[in-house]
Amino acid sequence: NAGVTQTPKFQVLKTGQSMTLQCAQDMNHEYMSWYRQDPGMGLRLIHYSVGAGITDQGEVPNGYNVSRSTTEDFPLRLLSAAPSQTSVYFCASSLGAGVDSPLHFGNGTRLTVT
Amino acid sequence: ELKVEQNPLFLSMQEGKNYTIYCNYSTTSDRLYWYRQDPGKSLESLFVLLSNGAVKQEGRLMASLDTKARLSTLHITAAVHDLSATYFCAVGRGGYQKVTFGTGTKLQVIP
Repeated sequence: NAGVTQTPKFQVLKTGQSMTLQCAQDMNHEYMSWYRQDPGMGLRLIHYSVGAGITDQGEVPNGYNVSRSTTEDFPLRLLSAAPSQTSVYFCASSLGAGVDSPLHFGNGTRLTVT
Repeated sequence: ELKVEQNPLFLSMQEGKNYTIYCNYSTTSDRLYWYRQDPGKSLESLFVLLSNGAVKQEGRLMASLDTKARLSTLHITAAVHDLSATYFCAVGRGGYQKVTFGTGTKLQVIP
């Protein structure tokens, strides 16, 4: 059982470049989300989805786009990378319907923007 | 805006000692989570607390929730080196599980 799979693990971009961070889960979870982790700031919610075709903004959505065409996949797109987007990105999923369902995290993508 | 504060931010303790990490949050919440993160790794779920007075224990870790005080604690009993990690509390609100994380407590257990 793979759980939550993120690719790539590492990425270096130049300012202005665009890219997509991939996230897939095989647990049939309704809820998926993207967080970024920066030193001293914990994890901050970027975007989330409560099911296929439904997405919404989190705390820090600017500069990022998401879509959810299937239950399994929730890619995060950086439109025009900036140095401020250097961070570790985590994708998470949960059952969604049950309030006692924890978030299951992927292994993260470490992104550096130069 | 929901704010989640943890203290201390850093904790260095000797093996065998007890200590408590505190998590305060600013508004009414549906649920409280505790996660563990090892350096360079992902986050691992430890506990989910849903109601006032909830207490859960796993090994040397025990978490509790006081919704009236908007406070959760993570108590470490007789610490061992393997417990060295960063511990996050997180608070969920609303049916769609928008979860807000604290800044984390980095725990170092010294042999």
